[in-house]
Order: sequence, then C-alpha cells, then structure tokens
Amino acid sequence: DTGVSQNPRHKITKRGQNVTFRCDPISEHNRLYWYRQTLGQGPEFLTYFQNEAQLEKSRLLSDRFSAERPKGSFSTLEIQRTEQGDSAMYLCASSLGGLAGVTGANVLTFGAGSRLTVL
Amino acid sequence: AQRVTQPEKLLSVFKGAPVELKCNYSYSGSPELFWYVQYSRQRLQLLLRHISRESIKGFTADLNKGETSFHLKKPFAQEEDSAMYYCALREPYGGSQGNLIFGKGTKLSVKP
Repeated sequence: DTGVSQNPRHKITKRGQNVTFRCDPISEHNRLYWYRQTLGQGPEFLTYFQNEAQLEKSRLLSDRFSAERPKGSFSTLEIQRTEQGDSAMYLCASSLGGLAGVTGANVLTFGAGSRLTVL
Repeated sequence: AQRVTQPEKLLSVFKGAPVELKCNYSYSGSPELFWYVQYSRQRLQLLLRHISRESIKGFTADLNKGETSFHLKKPFAQEEDSAMYYCALREPYGGSQGNLIFGKGTKLSVKP
C-alpha cells in the first residue's frame, strides 16, 4: 500500500463534457474525503464517506457532482456538464475515523490530486 | 460557522531566523486543530496536531483558547522549511465531525 492514489493526475476537457476521477484510499481506512482546491485557496470540503455511506455533502457540491464509494473501498467523483468554474485540483484523502484514542485516528492522508482544466 | 484565518499569504525570512505562522479560528466549542504542509511538487501532509503536543521538524504549535489561535512556531528556520502551510480545524462532535476546514494557507520562504 503506497498511500492514497488518484487517477487521472490531469484531465483537460471541453465545457459541457463529463469527467470522472477515481480515488483509491489506504486500504484499512474507513473514511474517504473529497476536497477541491483552487489557486490561492486552501482545500475546500466537498463530501465524505464512512465505509460506503456518504455522510456529509457540502453546498459546494452542486447537482452536477456525484460521488460514490460502492464497496467501501475506492471512490469516484463525477462531474457532469463541466463548466470553466470547475477547473481546480480535486483532492482525495482517507482516514481512520470515529475511533477515539486510536493513534492516527482522524488524521487525513491526502492523495496527489487530480487537476481538472475545463476549456 | 467555523472559520480558519491565516492572515499572511506570504512570509519571507532568512535562514536561522525565528518563524511564526499565524492561525486564528472561530468556533464556539473545543476544536481539534492541525497544521498541514505542502512542499514543492509534493502532496499535502500532516505536520502536527494540537492534541499530540509534539514537536515535528522543530515546529511547535500551542492552542490558545482565549485568543482562539494556533500559531506555528520554529526558533530557527531552515531553507528546507520553505513550503505552503495550512492551518485546519475539525469539529470533534456534532454533524460535521468528519471533515477539516482549512485556512487559505501561508507560503513560507526561507532565504539563504
């Protein structure tokens, strides 16, 4: 296990097209998070899963965005009908969540990110 | 509402000088606070968290509830400390306990 893996690393698409990003978390981590980062900003929370359940969604996650984690392992983030404002770095992170007292619990480990450019 | 403020976009110091990266938060309870760092061409990684009360790479940070601050300090900066530093807050209880709220980051540049 080499950490959190994200694919593709860079995606260039035309406005109106759909894109999908994949995240493979650290295998023993039960929580998986998606963040978005634009230039000059810190990461902004989009959504997170505990196992296969999507527990929270930010209001940043419009109805064009959908995230899944069907078997509680990898996750996908799909953006439909992309707009130029969707151009950003999409970060995935995973953690051991809900385990108070466990070393490393609730510490997020980030992937390298998937950069989206919408032309 | 939760908010994390890092007032400085850029902090430039000379090697060997003390460093303090400021972080203030607004939260009515007892949050968990973290510092994450991103070195050039590397992914975001945890530097330290307040509940650990440890020093990592010479950096320390003390949670000051009265001033709602969690400033990051190092007595003698090194060139390899040059990076983006993000302060982050996690609500330990309640509905939003899963995610981190990040500040906008401070770019630290340590000159030789």
